[in-house]
Amino acid sequence: QKEVEQNSGPLSVPEGAIASLNCTYSDRGSQSFFWYRQYSGKSPELIMFIYSNGDKEDGRFTAQLNKASQYVSLLIRDSQPSDSATYLCAGTSGYSTLTFGKGTMLLVSP
Amino acid sequence: KAGVTQTPRYLIKTRGQQVTLSCSPISGHRSVSWYQQTPGQGLQFLFEYFSETQRNKGNFPGRFSGRQFSNSRSEMNVSTLELGDSALYLCASSSGLRPTSTDTQYFGPGTRLTVL
Repeated sequence: QKEVEQNSGPLSVPEGAIASLNCTYSDRGSQSFFWYRQYSGKSPELIMFIYSNGDKEDGRFTAQLNKASQYVSLLIRDSQPSDSATYLCAGTSGYSTLTFGKGTMLLVSP
Repeated sequence: KAGVTQTPRYLIKTRGQQVTLSCSPISGHRSVSWYQQTPGQGLQFLFEYFSETQRNKGNFPGRFSGRQFSNSRSEMNVSTLELGDSALYLCASSSGLRPTSTDTQYFGPGTRLTVL
């Protein structure tokens, strides 16, 4: 059974702080990982993609992947109230089939 | 470029009925995946179609079925609806190649199904 685990939260951080979201996965065959952001009542929106060990940065977002530890994380620097949403981690080992975690709710307070 | 569209956006049905949901992928995308999202289970994969063929299937009963047409539009059908089928049904499209940084899944707005 392929599983992706996330802490459901909520994770509360003050505006301007760094938010750290974590995800672990059970399938060693997983090759690529995605972070989606989902606002309440909306569909998931892709934020980051990572498939190599190490860090990948895009603006205020940094994704980190450690395949030996089966661990993926997303760092959000200078968090803004507009970042308040549920963040979904997903992994894939095949064609277009994503296994999602249940998501972590992030609350950024002004 | 137009995004993924889903119709209808909202549906109310009663137990025992059947329902058909439609998804039009981004122009040029040949893969359509369907997901069910509920508060308790999160996003769960239903099935994926690529070039009119079901390429992968999740762990759902046979009441859930789908198909894809030659224009890549896809439909999913749920027969004999149960209360537990109430959920947000999302479709996502991609080019259909091995997921890479240039081939990711883009989600539609979803269809909210309520079963009474």
